[in-house]
Amino acid sequence: ILNVEQSPQSLHVQEGDSTNFTCSFPSSNFYALHWYRWETAKSPEALFVMTLNGDEKKKGRISATLNTKEGYSYLYIKGSQPEDSATYLCAAQGDSYSGAGSYQLTFGKGTKLSVIP
Amino acid sequence: GAVVSQHPSWVICKSGTSVKIECRSLDFQATTMFWYRQFPKQSLMLMATSNEGSKATYEQGVEKDKFLINHASLTLSTLTVTSAHPEDSSFYICSARDPDLPNTGELFFGEGSRLTVL
Repeated sequence: ILNVEQSPQSLHVQEGDSTNFTCSFPSSNFYALHWYRWETAKSPEALFVMTLNGDEKKKGRISATLNTKEGYSYLYIKGSQPEDSATYLCAAQGDSYSGAGSYQLTFGKGTKLSVIP
Repeated sequence: GAVVSQHPSWVICKSGTSVKIECRSLDFQATTMFWYRQFPKQSLMLMATSNEGSKATYEQGVEKDKFLINHASLTLSTLTVTSAHPEDSSFYICSARDPDLPNTGELFFGEGSRLTVL
């Protein structure tokens, strides 16, 4: 899978605002869509892994949806808090076997979220 | 969740020297680890897949003689940047999957290593 796009590149929101951002990917050869949160000076942490068209997943104030037919996923954050400030990465996992039992992930450039207190 | 530790977190070296970066899975055994590189304002790009007890699989355009990968145990993979040059300056990060969580497919990442070659 090539060319995973994320938008916007960055955004600033006020504390308490809800926000969302987009990940688009080629819908062919698709296996799964990953979302990671990457805080400064820390390791990226998985938020969601979704595989089925129409999947919706939720973790606290954060939720994500998946449309595999049109090739996009949305990440929503309700009532943003300063601790939500991070870069959010999405990665599309292809269905082509890529050696060593791994299905290769292609990452987007990320959306950098800053929540202003 | 599974923990991956990477060391060093940053390193500065002179051009022509070699630098080794270690990636350890602390609470699980990883037969496969993944090495990524990220240049400024770019996405994480897979460099190679490290396989315990066998040769690494390199992505197209990644020089295997330049970036030596050793995965001698189920908890340790190392990336050695040989004869480093300024263009090798980048952020290198490793990851692995927890075999006890085979169906999620999520990756567990190290903290990353920022290499600066003078």
